[in-house]
Amino acid sequence: KAGVTQTPRYLIKTRGQQVTLSCSPISGHRSVSWYQQTPGQGLQFLFEYFSETQRNKGNFPGRFSGRQFSNSRSEMNVSTLELGDSALYLCASSFGGGLETHSYEQYFGPGTRLTVT
Amino acid sequence: AQTVTQSQPEMSVQEAETVTLSCTYDTSENNYYLFWYKQPPSRQMILVIRQEAYKQQNATENRFSVNFQKAAKSFSLKISDSQLGDTAMYFCAFMKHGGGGFKTIFGAGTRLFVKA
Repeated sequence: KAGVTQTPRYLIKTRGQQVTLSCSPISGHRSVSWYQQTPGQGLQFLFEYFSETQRNKGNFPGRFSGRQFSNSRSEMNVSTLELGDSALYLCASSFGGGLETHSYEQYFGPGTRLTVT
Repeated sequence: AQTVTQSQPEMSVQEAETVTLSCTYDTSENNYYLFWYKQPPSRQMILVIRQEAYKQQNATENRFSVNFQKAAKSFSLKISDSQLGDTAMYFCAFMKHGGGGFKTIFGAGTRLFVKA
């Protein structure tokens, strides 16, 4: 079974631009969560989507948004990029809390490294 | 709000020896999950071990085991017979199930070096 894939793997943008990152979950997984990883702040939860609905969100400004499609693929968008948005963005998928054994377990993708200059 | 604390930024251990990584958390929830994740240098985050809070028995996965003390809100990871491939950043994580979904809080991580 294929793992979680994220595209692109690397991205360089300039301040003020916007960016869209993509995440394809493991087949059968309906939940996708997004995280921001930086050396200073560590791993921070951005939001979780399940069946095209955002179920939970972290404490990030409205510039950070996401969506999920009917095939469970998810995109994350950051508008008006700031230097501080430079980070590794990870997505993780899971069954999402259904009847499957350990349905809450998350499997991570390799991440998208975003550099804002 | 939930918090997860890993008080050891870095640790080292000799190959074949045992090491314990500490993690404490703060929550008022009764039902939650705890995890240890491993992130090798420049590689993907992988799940090492999970613990459901309602289970009293400590989880074990081969050389990895946890000491889960619910009342003390402590969740340490023991790695036995350490191997060079265990060198990685280890993150303790707390997941609550609320609002119909999941929210995971990570600790700052412990960088583990296994020496030959």
